[in-house]
Amino acid sequence: KNEVEQSPQNLTAQEGEFITINCSYSVGISALHWLQQHPGGGIVSLFMLSSGKKKHGRLIATINIQEKHSSLHITASHPRDSAVYICAVRAQGAQKLVFGQGTRLTINP
Amino acid sequence: SAVISQKPSRDICQRGTSLTIQCQVDSQVTMMFWYRQQPGQSLTLIATANQGSEATYESGFVIDKFPISRPNLTFSTLTVSNMSPEDSSIYLCSVWGGNEQFFGPGTRLTVL
Repeated sequence: KNEVEQSPQNLTAQEGEFITINCSYSVGISALHWLQQHPGGGIVSLFMLSSGKKKHGRLIATINIQEKHSSLHITASHPRDSAVYICAVRAQGAQKLVFGQGTRLTINP
Repeated sequence: SAVISQKPSRDICQRGTSLTIQCQVDSQVTMMFWYRQQPGQSLTLIATANQGSEATYESGFVIDKFPISRPNLTFSTLTVSNMSPEDSSIYLCSVWGGNEQFFGPGTRLTVL
């Protein structure tokens, strides 16, 4: 079993739909990251969470430390949101990140 | 924030040859991380490079195959040695800056 599991692996939706991507992890963490990877390969950091909830534009990320679970939500989705979204955790006392397998999101116009 | 550049952005190489990937950061950082992303897979850490000391390799990765240099606090290189088609991947360098992880644009390597 991977330390970081994401669901779904693939998600296709229509423009305007509310999107939720889930991430579960099995280790104690100091932080959880949500990353976005576009087809060219470049990776952008969206959020770093250690508790609670963060919002940036149409993106919302939440984390429940007790349940070892995080969600990334996209409101009013748009085709430009199409990308791979990756959850990564930093274990307590560690510097390196452990990555989930990613969720490939496609938003159709 | 940190801006990271990588060279080359992509390359096509013959098996048995070696390729050195450069990573330049616009600020001084203690640790630089090298990741590999094989086709359809997520990122896997190859090694952590600290300035002035030997790189620390993750399980399954060895110095002879992936030698790393870290001559100063803003630059590192990763060499993929004696390449085989299984080395075809995106190679990314990354740094930790404050509360955020920054990634380079990646080097897309194809080995024929």
